[in-house]
This record gives sequence, structure tokens and C-alpha cells, in this order.
Amino acid sequence: DAKTTQPNSMESNEEEPVHLPCNHSTISGTDYIHWYRQLPSQGPEYVIHGLTSNVNNRMASLAIAEDRKSSTLILHRATLRDAAVYYCILFYSGGSNYKLTFGKGTLLTVNP
Amino acid sequence: EAGVTQFPSHSVIEKGQTVTLRCDPISGHDNLYWYRRVMGKEIKFLLHFVKESKQDESGMPNNRFLAERTGGTYSTLKVQPAELEDSGVYFCASSRETGKAYEQYFGPGTRLTVT
Repeated sequence: DAKTTQPNSMESNEEEPVHLPCNHSTISGTDYIHWYRQLPSQGPEYVIHGLTSNVNNRMASLAIAEDRKSSTLILHRATLRDAAVYYCILFYSGGSNYKLTFGKGTLLTVNP
Repeated sequence: EAGVTQFPSHSVIEKGQTVTLRCDPISGHDNLYWYRRVMGKEIKFLLHFVKESKQDESGMPNNRFLAERTGGTYSTLKVQPAELEDSGVYFCASSRETGKAYEQYFGPGTRLTVT
């Protein structure tokens, strides 16, 4: 499985934007970039995904580098509820195997 | 719609005993997955059902683990006999068969403690 690299932890203040980076230099052309997050005492939760173009949804934005070797998850205005571990996952779009390969993720702390 | 539910939320058993975890996926989701996080480690994939068939069981650690999904609805994961290293949180997830099949919805997990 293609590997991703994320900082172990990041800190933000409430109401400020947060940029969570992810490096995936060995990404292949058929890999989508997915982001999940895990709130305390809960299961992981899908956040957003993309292939080449930047993506926006109600939760976040995903900015993908032109060479696709890195991406950034953007939370436009962090809230206390956004404190979680964020996982950047490469997802092979071919076939019918949808298993997710989790790394260590980034622990985001949001200060009031 | 109701989310993925798991039962029990917490189970404490002794080494050598048997435990059965249950997962009820979101109604209409044909894909069902089991994952687990053991102490200090990352979340690892165990297996994937499509309806009642095992699509991928490459992550099952050994033959002490048996997963079933009779009728293609709920699933059970039985550990027999349990060992100390089986302690951890077991997550179930489900997703649609087509369209947004990649978007997995996770349950809250079952925390298993083997003493």
C-alpha cells in the first residue's frame, strides 16, 4: 500500500483556519486521497476525498498539489468539536477492495 | 438514518474464554468491514463482506477469529479462545455497494479487554 506521512500533532485556536498537511510521494495515478477523522471515543468519520482537483464540502476543503505528491486538509474555522485525529489515506479506486489503511494520523488540538 | 451500531460497547473476559461481537450496519449497505486497534497501534483492517460473502479476509490475524454475516445483514466476530493480545477496540464499518462505496461509516467500536 502507498504510504502517507503526516505530522504527529498540530495545534490551533478556535475560529482560526487549520491546514493539515500530508505527503504521499509514492502515490499512483489511480489512488484517491481520502481523509478521515476520529473524534475521542468514536469510530473514524469520513471527511473528504479527491483525485486531482481541489475539493470542497460542508466539513472541509482539500487542496491537492499539482504533482499529487502532497495534499492539505483545510478546516476554515476550527471549533472545539474539530479536535480529533486526522488520517490521510490513499485509496485505490480500481477493483472492489475498499479496505482503508490507517497510519498514525495527526492529533489536532483546538484551543478555546 | 440510523448509524452503524455495535454490541457490546465493552467486554471484559478472561484469557481462554470466547467472546462474540456484533455489528449492525446501516440499512441497505452491502459492504461491511471489521477493523481493530490494539493498544498503541494503528487501526488495522480485518475483513470485508459484500452481502454475505467474504470479499477480503487478508487482515484476520489467525484462526481464532471467525466472522460471519448470515443473510447479508448483521455480522458477528467471534474470538475463540481469546488471548491477551486480542485486547483492543474493534470497529465495524459499512458502505454502499455502488456510488459512494468508498465512504465508510464506522460504528463506535467495542472495547475488548482480555485479562
